[in-house]
Amino acid sequence: GAVVSQHPSWVICKSGTSVKIECRSLDFQATTMFWYRQFPKQSLMLMATSNEGSKATYEQGVEKDKFLINHASLTLSTLTVTSAHPEDSSFYICSAGTSGPNTGELFFGEGSRLTVL
Amino acid sequence: AQTVTQSQPEMSVQEAETVTLSCTYDTSESDYYLFWYKQPPSRQMILVIRQEAYKQQNATENRFSVNFQKAAKSFSLKISDSQLGDAAMYFCAYRPNRGYTGTASKLTFGTGTRLQVTL
Repeated sequence: GAVVSQHPSWVICKSGTSVKIECRSLDFQATTMFWYRQFPKQSLMLMATSNEGSKATYEQGVEKDKFLINHASLTLSTLTVTSAHPEDSSFYICSAGTSGPNTGELFFGEGSRLTVL
Repeated sequence: AQTVTQSQPEMSVQEAETVTLSCTYDTSESDYYLFWYKQPPSRQMILVIRQEAYKQQNATENRFSVNFQKAAKSFSLKISDSQLGDAAMYFCAYRPNRGYTGTASKLTFGTGTRLQVTL
């Protein structure tokens, strides 16, 4: 199947700093990528839909200014957690679908664990 | 809005036995996909099985099969000959078939079922 790579896999930062997480589709073009957040022992919560060349679509309750999403190319979307605080500590996962024949499947990155001290 | 419900927070099965995980969903769409994803401790999401709503035949993948009841909006996963490596969180997910771009194509997850496999 198609490969989606996330980087970094884990990051620790100080409160007040910003952290960028990258999501790359390695062997296909992804017009749309999705960013999820997952708390321990909970399900994946969709944060936003990242659209190549346009503004991201955020889910209700997700702060646009806190979680900046940029999808500048067909293979890369980035999530920047700005002025991070301990409550932003979580597991962030991206996913993407191919723009070819649609099998419905989305491919997931390995996830990025953010810890804010 | 679409919703996906998994009513079993935890399930346990003995090795080599069979277990069924339940999932129901709600949608007004007629064309959609349903998935079961597995999330082991590594937290990498792994696709277990996929079902297209327009197909009446239940999907099977080796030891994994589904019971898809479209009218009842039910999509259960059966794991046969359970193995220790099957222990994980299992998420049922729904995705409308409205193309592959944009927020309309997003995946909606259930709350998950933690499966334990015992010796």
